[in-house]
Amino acid sequence: GQSLEQPSEVTAVEGAIVQINCTYQTSGFYGLSWYQQHDGGAPTFLSYNALDGLEETGRFSSFLSRSDSYGYLLLQELQMKDSASYFCAVREIGKLIFGQGTELSVKP
Amino acid sequence: NAGVTQTPKFRVLKTGQSMTLLCAQDMNHEYMYWYRQDPGMGLRLIHYSVGEGTTAKGEVPDGYNVSRLKKQNFLLGLESAAPSQTSVYFCASSYGGTGPGTGELFFGEGSRLTVL
Repeated sequence: GQSLEQPSEVTAVEGAIVQINCTYQTSGFYGLSWYQQHDGGAPTFLSYNALDGLEETGRFSSFLSRSDSYGYLLLQELQMKDSASYFCAVREIGKLIFGQGTELSVKP
Repeated sequence: NAGVTQTPKFRVLKTGQSMTLLCAQDMNHEYMYWYRQDPGMGLRLIHYSVGEGTTAKGEVPDGYNVSRLKKQNFLLGLESAAPSQTSVYFCASSYGGTGPGTGELFFGEGSRLTVL
């Protein structure tokens, strides 16, 4: 089976940097995705790492270490609108399995 | 360009009733998925399809059936609804294979189902 672990809650202040970690156990791993969800709406795609290393997209970066079964999402220059739930998800053949999510609260 | 469309968006059922949720995508995606999300929980995969005419079980398939008769549509059925199936249901689609594009799922807006 699969399992993903990520913190349930993270709090940070506006303008700061926050890192959300994700560890996983799975068979047939192809890559790690990150999604953002506001107030129970449709999740939106942030990033996908298939290879080891750092991927940067604007204020967001995502990292993967396949040997450590570990990844993280880094959010820089936090804004109030970044308050949301963030999910890591592992890509296996044919399917994407999600973690429980991390609730990020950004304070003024 | 509609993307992924789910109908209905809201539904209230009585225990034992049946219903079907419809998901339609216009992006010519090979893969389609049904997830459920309960309060404070992540998305749990119910069933998925890797192409027209195919379906497979996900993490929580019991009590649900699916069909993918046409590439653009993926139907989720509840034969005899139970209160435990009260949830928000999300449909999603993606490119097929294992390349970089398969990490990105396109989600519908969700269908909120209450079973009394």
